[in-house]
Amino acid sequence: GAGVSQSPSNKVTEKGKDVELRCDPISGHTALYWYRQSLGQGLEFLIYFQGNSAPDKSGLPSDRFSAERTGGSVSTLTIQRTQQEDSAVYLCASSTFPRGRYNEQFFGPGTRLTVL
Amino acid sequence: KQEVTQIPAALSVPEGENLVLNCSFTDSAIYNLQWFRQDPGKGLTSLLLIQSSQREQTSGRLNASLDKSSGRSTLYIAASQPGDSATYLCAVTLFNQAGTALIFGKGTTLSVSS
Repeated sequence: GAGVSQSPSNKVTEKGKDVELRCDPISGHTALYWYRQSLGQGLEFLIYFQGNSAPDKSGLPSDRFSAERTGGSVSTLTIQRTQQEDSAVYLCASSTFPRGRYNEQFFGPGTRLTVL
Repeated sequence: KQEVTQIPAALSVPEGENLVLNCSFTDSAIYNLQWFRQDPGKGLTSLLLIQSSQREQTSGRLNASLDKSSGRSTLYIAASQPGDSATYLCAVTLFNQAGTALIFGKGTTLSVSS
Protein backbone atom coordinates (compact mmCIF):
# COMPACT_ATOMS: atom_id res chain seq x y z
CA GLY A 1 0.00 0.00 0.00
CA ALA A 2 0.94 3.66 -0.13
CA GLY A 3 3.49 4.93 2.33
CA VAL A 4 3.76 8.28 4.07
CA SER A 5 3.80 11.14 1.58
CA GLN A 6 4.97 14.71 2.08
CA SER A 7 4.68 17.86 0.01
CA PRO A 8 6.39 19.83 -1.28
CA SER A 9 9.59 17.83 -1.63
CA ASN A 10 11.60 21.07 -1.74
CA LYS A 11 10.73 24.57 -0.61
CA VAL A 12 12.85 27.68 -0.98
CA THR A 13 11.59 30.78 0.79
CA GLU A 14 12.80 34.18 1.85
CA LYS A 15 13.49 35.06 5.45
CA GLY A 16 10.35 36.36 7.13
CA LYS A 17 7.85 34.51 4.96
CA ASP A 18 5.46 31.84 6.27
CA VAL A 19 5.58 28.25 4.97
CA GLU A 20 3.25 25.26 5.21
CA LEU A 21 4.46 21.68 4.97
CA ARG A 22 2.04 18.81 4.42
CA CYS A 23 2.05 15.18 5.54
CA ASP A 24 -0.26 12.37 4.44
CA PRO A 25 0.19 9.40 6.80
CA ILE A 26 -0.38 5.76 5.97
CA SER A 27 -4.13 5.11 5.85
CA GLY A 28 -5.43 3.95 9.21
CA HIS A 29 -2.42 5.15 11.20
CA THR A 30 -3.70 7.12 14.18
CA ALA A 31 -0.30 8.36 15.40
CA LEU A 32 1.59 11.01 13.42
CA TYR A 33 4.97 12.60 14.19
CA TRP A 34 7.00 15.50 12.85
CA TYR A 35 10.80 15.52 13.09
CA ARG A 36 13.48 17.89 11.84
CA GLN A 37 16.90 16.92 10.49
CA SER A 38 19.49 19.68 10.43
CA LEU A 39 23.11 19.47 9.32
CA GLY A 40 25.18 18.49 12.30
CA GLN A 41 22.15 18.24 14.62
CA GLY A 42 20.74 14.86 13.77
CA LEU A 43 17.04 14.08 13.91
CA GLU A 44 14.97 16.03 16.44
CA PHE A 45 11.39 15.38 17.48
CA LEU A 46 8.95 18.27 17.01
CA ILE A 47 5.37 17.14 17.74
CA TYR A 48 3.21 14.01 18.14
CA PHE A 49 -0.45 13.65 17.19
CA GLN A 50 -2.83 10.95 18.33
CA GLY A 51 -5.89 11.41 16.16
CA ASN A 52 -6.46 15.15 15.87
CA SER A 53 -4.99 16.07 19.25
CA ALA A 54 -1.33 16.71 20.08
CA PRO A 55 -0.44 15.26 23.48
CA ASP A 56 3.24 16.07 23.02
CA LYS A 57 4.37 19.39 21.53
CA SER A 58 7.55 19.51 23.56
CA GLY A 59 9.90 19.57 20.57
CA LEU A 60 8.53 22.67 18.85
CA PRO A 61 11.50 25.10 18.97
CA SER A 62 9.54 28.36 19.21
CA ASP A 63 6.05 29.80 18.98
CA ARG A 64 6.66 30.44 15.28
CA PHE A 65 6.09 26.72 14.78
CA SER A 66 2.60 25.20 14.87
CA ALA A 67 0.92 22.11 13.53
CA GLU A 68 -2.57 20.77 13.09
CA ARG A 69 -4.17 17.56 12.01
CA THR A 70 -7.67 17.25 10.61
CA GLY A 71 -9.91 14.25 10.12
CA GLY A 72 -7.35 12.07 11.87
CA SER A 73 -5.35 12.06 8.66
CA VAL A 74 -3.49 14.90 6.93
CA SER A 75 -1.25 17.14 9.02
CA THR A 76 0.18 20.57 8.25
CA LEU A 77 3.28 22.03 9.91
CA THR A 78 3.36 25.84 9.68
CA ILE A 79 6.43 27.96 10.26
CA GLN A 80 5.77 31.67 10.57
CA ARG A 81 8.32 34.42 9.89
CA THR A 82 10.93 31.89 8.77
CA GLN A 83 14.55 32.34 9.84
CA GLN A 84 17.70 30.95 8.25
CA GLU A 85 18.15 28.54 11.16
CA ASP A 86 14.84 26.92 10.17
CA SER A 87 16.56 25.48 7.08
CA ALA A 88 16.42 21.69 7.46
CA VAL A 89 14.70 18.57 6.21
CA TYR A 90 11.31 18.13 7.86
CA LEU A 91 10.28 14.49 8.17
CA CYS A 92 6.86 13.07 8.97
CA ALA A 93 6.21 9.58 10.35
CA SER A 94 3.14 7.58 11.25
CA SER A 95 2.34 4.45 13.22
CA THR A 96 -0.58 2.36 14.38
CA PHE A 97 0.09 3.11 18.07
CA PRO A 98 -1.64 2.28 20.37
CA ARG A 99 -3.11 -0.56 18.31
CA GLY A 100 0.35 -1.63 17.14
CA ARG A 101 1.82 -2.16 20.55
CA TYR A 102 5.42 -1.47 19.72
CA ASN A 103 4.99 1.78 17.82
CA GLU A 104 7.00 1.02 14.70
CA GLN A 105 7.23 4.37 12.93
CA PHE A 106 7.25 4.68 9.14
CA PHE A 107 8.75 7.80 7.58
CA GLY A 108 7.97 9.91 4.55
CA PRO A 109 10.62 11.24 2.12
CA GLY A 110 10.77 14.62 3.81
CA THR A 111 10.52 18.26 2.76
CA ARG A 112 13.79 20.12 2.31
CA LEU A 113 13.27 23.72 3.45
CA THR A 114 15.80 26.39 2.52
CA VAL A 115 15.41 29.88 3.96
CA LEU A 116 17.41 32.50 2.09
CA LYS B 1 17.85 12.82 29.65
CA GLN B 2 18.15 9.94 27.20
CA GLU B 3 21.14 10.17 24.88
CA VAL B 4 21.83 7.82 21.98
CA THR B 5 25.36 7.41 20.64
CA GLN B 6 26.48 5.57 17.53
CA ILE B 7 30.01 4.40 16.89
CA PRO B 8 31.72 4.63 14.49
CA ALA B 9 30.47 7.78 12.76
CA ALA B 10 31.74 6.46 9.43
CA LEU B 11 32.91 3.09 8.16
CA SER B 12 34.41 1.96 4.84
CA VAL B 13 34.68 -1.74 4.01
CA PRO B 14 35.27 -3.87 0.91
CA GLU B 15 32.40 -5.87 -0.50
CA GLY B 16 31.79 -9.21 1.21
CA GLU B 17 32.89 -8.23 4.70
CA ASN B 18 30.74 -8.85 7.75
CA LEU B 19 30.40 -5.74 9.90
CA VAL B 20 28.95 -4.49 13.16
CA LEU B 21 27.44 -1.08 13.89
CA ASN B 22 27.13 -0.02 17.51
CA CYS B 23 24.46 1.95 19.34
CA SER B 24 24.41 2.86 23.03
CA PHE B 25 21.79 4.63 25.14
CA THR B 26 21.98 6.12 28.61
CA ASP B 27 18.52 5.24 30.01
CA SER B 28 17.82 1.49 30.01
CA ALA B 29 14.06 2.00 30.54
CA ILE B 30 13.24 1.86 26.86
CA TYR B 31 10.00 0.78 25.19
CA ASN B 32 11.66 -0.36 21.98
CA LEU B 33 14.67 0.24 19.73
CA GLN B 34 14.47 0.73 16.00
CA TRP B 35 17.19 0.61 13.32
CA PHE B 36 16.73 2.69 10.17
CA ARG B 37 18.55 3.17 6.90
CA GLN B 38 18.76 6.58 5.19
CA ASP B 39 19.97 7.02 1.62
CA PRO B 40 21.26 10.47 0.56
CA GLY B 41 18.40 12.93 0.05
CA LYS B 42 15.81 10.35 1.05
CA GLY B 43 13.63 9.58 4.07
CA LEU B 44 14.17 6.78 6.58
CA THR B 45 13.51 3.12 5.89
CA SER B 46 12.74 0.97 8.93
CA LEU B 47 15.02 -2.07 9.04
CA LEU B 48 14.34 -3.78 12.36
CA LEU B 49 12.40 -3.06 15.54
CA ILE B 50 13.37 -4.79 18.78
CA GLN B 51 10.81 -4.81 21.55
CA SER B 52 12.09 -4.17 25.07
CA SER B 53 11.42 -7.82 26.01
CA GLN B 54 13.40 -9.20 23.05
CA ARG B 55 17.11 -9.76 22.66
CA GLU B 56 17.42 -9.87 18.89
CA GLN B 57 15.66 -9.61 15.54
CA THR B 58 16.72 -10.87 12.13
CA SER B 59 15.81 -9.85 8.60
CA GLY B 60 17.76 -11.35 5.73
CA ARG B 61 21.43 -10.42 6.11
CA LEU B 62 20.66 -8.11 9.04
CA ASN B 63 20.66 -9.07 12.69
CA ALA B 64 20.04 -6.62 15.51
CA SER B 65 20.68 -7.41 19.16
CA LEU B 66 19.59 -5.59 22.30
CA ASP B 67 21.12 -5.63 25.78
CA LYS B 68 18.94 -3.29 27.83
CA SER B 69 20.87 -3.67 31.06
CA SER B 70 24.09 -2.43 29.48
CA GLY B 71 22.31 0.09 27.23
CA ARG B 72 23.60 -1.35 23.97
CA SER B 73 22.40 -2.55 20.61
CA THR B 74 24.36 -3.83 17.63
CA LEU B 75 23.39 -4.15 13.98
CA TYR B 76 25.24 -6.97 12.25
CA ILE B 77 25.37 -6.91 8.44
CA ALA B 78 26.54 -10.13 6.81
CA ALA B 79 28.30 -10.31 3.45
CA SER B 80 28.12 -6.57 2.78
CA GLN B 81 27.26 -5.31 -0.71
CA PRO B 82 27.74 -1.89 -2.40
CA GLY B 83 23.95 -1.45 -2.19
CA ASP B 84 24.27 -1.43 1.60
CA SER B 85 26.04 1.94 1.41
CA ALA B 86 23.88 4.39 3.37
CA THR B 87 23.58 6.02 6.80
CA TYR B 88 22.28 3.72 9.52
CA LEU B 89 20.36 5.30 12.40
CA CYS B 90 19.48 3.84 15.77
CA ALA B 91 16.51 5.24 17.73
CA VAL B 92 14.80 4.45 21.04
CA THR B 93 11.45 5.22 22.61
CA LEU B 94 11.38 5.69 26.36
CA PHE B 95 9.14 3.33 28.32
CA ASN B 96 7.27 6.09 30.09
CA GLN B 97 6.66 7.90 26.80
CA ALA B 98 5.40 4.98 24.76
CA GLY B 99 3.87 6.18 21.55
CA THR B 100 5.77 9.42 21.45
CA ALA B 101 9.12 10.59 20.22
CA LEU B 102 11.92 8.49 18.87
CA ILE B 103 15.29 9.65 20.17
CA PHE B 104 17.92 9.22 17.49
CA GLY B 105 21.64 8.75 17.38
CA LYS B 106 23.59 10.71 14.77
CA GLY B 107 24.13 7.66 12.62
CA THR B 108 26.90 5.61 11.08
CA THR B 109 27.65 6.31 7.42
CA LEU B 110 28.63 3.07 5.71
CA SER B 111 30.48 2.84 2.41
CA VAL B 112 30.91 -0.58 0.80
CA SER B 113 33.31 -0.68 -2.13
CA SER B 114 33.17 -3.23 -4.94
